[in-house]
Amino acid sequence: DVKVTQSSRYLVKRTGEKVFLECVQDMDHENMFWYRQDPGLGLRLIYFSYDVKMKEKGDIPEGYSVSREKKERFSLILESASTNQTSMYLCASSLNPTIRGYTFGSGTRLTVV
Amino acid sequence: KQEVTQIPAALSVPEGENLVLNCSFTDSAIYNLQWFRQDPGKGLTSLLLIQSSQREQTSGRLNASLDKSSGRSTLYIAASQPGDSATYLCAVMETSGSRLTFGEGTQLTVNP
Repeated sequence: DVKVTQSSRYLVKRTGEKVFLECVQDMDHENMFWYRQDPGLGLRLIYFSYDVKMKEKGDIPEGYSVSREKKERFSLILESASTNQTSMYLCASSLNPTIRGYTFGSGTRLTVV
Repeated sequence: KQEVTQIPAALSVPEGENLVLNCSFTDSAIYNLQWFRQDPGKGLTSLLLIQSSQREQTSGRLNASLDKSSGRSTLYIAASQPGDSATYLCAVMETSGSRLTFGEGTQLTVNP
């Protein structure tokens, strides 16, 4: 089975800090995604990547950036954390989304104080 | 813009009951539809993936159907158990942009 690992389950950061959320997958998937999940808003796509060093903006990229230096790792960066970025962050990967669907990690609950 | 709706938002049933969760989507131009389970505070676990050319998929006590032309999918859970208590999410992958659009989920509680 594909494993998607998010390095932290819970994080508490201060406003203005630079925050790194890490995601690693072990099945050589080209496609990786970052979502945030909020009550009443559901899951929203922040950024995605179809290959190393490649990135595309999703629906809500403002305040975020990403890094994909290696195929297995996709990092989400909050350049200057704000309280409205308090959320559950979910990483996903896929070999071929149109055929194989997505595999999600266990999530990182980020609180910005 | 694709919209995915799940009804009901919450459902509480006694153990042993068979139940149906509903998912509807507005744009039938999809590659596939995926059902996920989410436990409180956890990530998403994939349950079933139905390609647009398929009508249904089965895994154990779960059966998912897809009627692409009417924009509907159902997830049938047979002989429900307390361990089935979770939020169930459906998501469609659109042919335009190849991205997932999620419904808001159905929160299921199975009472012993």
